[in-house]
Parts: sequence; structure tokens; C-alpha cells
Amino acid sequence: GAGVSQSPSNKVTEKGKDVELRCDPISGHTALYWYRQRLGQGLEFLIYFQGNSAPDKSGLPSDRFSAERTGESVSTLTIQRTQQEDSAVYLCASKNRAEQYFGPGTRLTVT
Amino acid sequence: AQSVTQLDSQVPVFEEAPVELRCNYSSSVSVYLFWYVQYPNQGLQLLLKYLSGSTLVESINGFEAEFNKSQTSFHLRKPSVHISDTAEYFCAVSTNTGFQKLVFGTGTRLLVSP
Repeated sequence: GAGVSQSPSNKVTEKGKDVELRCDPISGHTALYWYRQRLGQGLEFLIYFQGNSAPDKSGLPSDRFSAERTGESVSTLTIQRTQQEDSAVYLCASKNRAEQYFGPGTRLTVT
Repeated sequence: AQSVTQLDSQVPVFEEAPVELRCNYSSSVSVYLFWYVQYPNQGLQLLLKYLSGSTLVESINGFEAEFNKSQTSFHLRKPSVHISDTAEYFCAVSTNTGFQKLVFGTGTRLLVSP
């Protein structure tokens, strides 16, 4: 079956612009996570969605970051007024039982 | 809160040699443990996982890891590596209840040379 998909695969934006990243989870997976991987570092948790429950936003680094998910479908991560330190690979994962399945990521470069 | 330490940022080995990638974790509650692999220019793939039961878990491509609760470790081993094993390996931990976010180590780059 189809895995987790993310779009765009690459995004180059100018400092100060807003960007929107998209994640399509595996059908039937109720849990969805966003992570960030900066160059040479491990993955950092950003936000978690579970069904229709309120999301856990404890990992969002600033109020410029926000995410939405409607039910158990697509999720979008929005970064407003991008800064150079936002440059990273943004990964989405959906979960079945204990196992998280990762998408290919969106590489964001802020110039 | 949980944390993961991968002591080695890079491990160079020759083909067919054994390798061990070290992972230690910290948690005040019971955890699940994972190893993920990221091949060059590819996404993150689950290599193996420990949820419960036997403390020795194996992957389909010859890797194994042993959960050691007393030493809070989950080291990854392979008796004979191939060139194709060259990749970045991430150890991760999650709680076994709640929303189970993954906490990752900083990764170990395995470099296999002929």
C-alpha cells in the first residue's frame, strides 16, 4: 500500500516568507507526528495529532510554527516569517500501534 | 522525559568486519526502543524495534540489538557488514503509553569500506 507522502520534496524560500508543508499519512493511521532534522543533528519532535483530540504542540520552537490536521487526513505545517535557522528537513510520520512510518521529508532552505 | 545518547558520531569499518553501534537511553518509565536507518539521499526506515518479550531483536538484513534494562542500553550489532550498510543509524525511544513521541539520538554514521 501507499506510504506516507510529503510535498514539496524541496522548498527554497526567502527569509521572511511564509511556507506550507504537506503530509499525507497512511490511510487508517490515526496518529500523525511532525519532526525536524537539522543538518548534522538528530530529529526533533514538533507536534503530534491523534484523531480529533487536541494536538500536542509542545515541540514547536516558536509561535511562527503552526500545524493543522482535519480528522485523520492530511496535515499541513506552516512556518511564518521564515528565518535561516528554520532550514532543515521536515519529516512527517504516521503511526500504527507502536511503529511510526516516516515520509521522505521536505527539505526547506531559507536564503 | 526521555533522552538518548549515541556516543559515536562516526564508525568506520572494513567490509566483512563486525560492528557495534552504541545506544544508551534515560527514562523514568517503561519504554519502547527503536533503531532507524537512513541511507544516503533516502528517508528514514525502521530497522528493528523492542516493544516487549525477548530482549534480543533481529532485522531481516542481519542486524540485531539487545535491550539491557540494567545498563539502559540498546546497542546495535552486525557480525559481518557489507558496503551497502553504509548509512546513518538513529536510535530512538518512546514511552509505551501516552502519545509516544520518538526521542532520537544524534545518529551514528557507519562507513563501510572495501
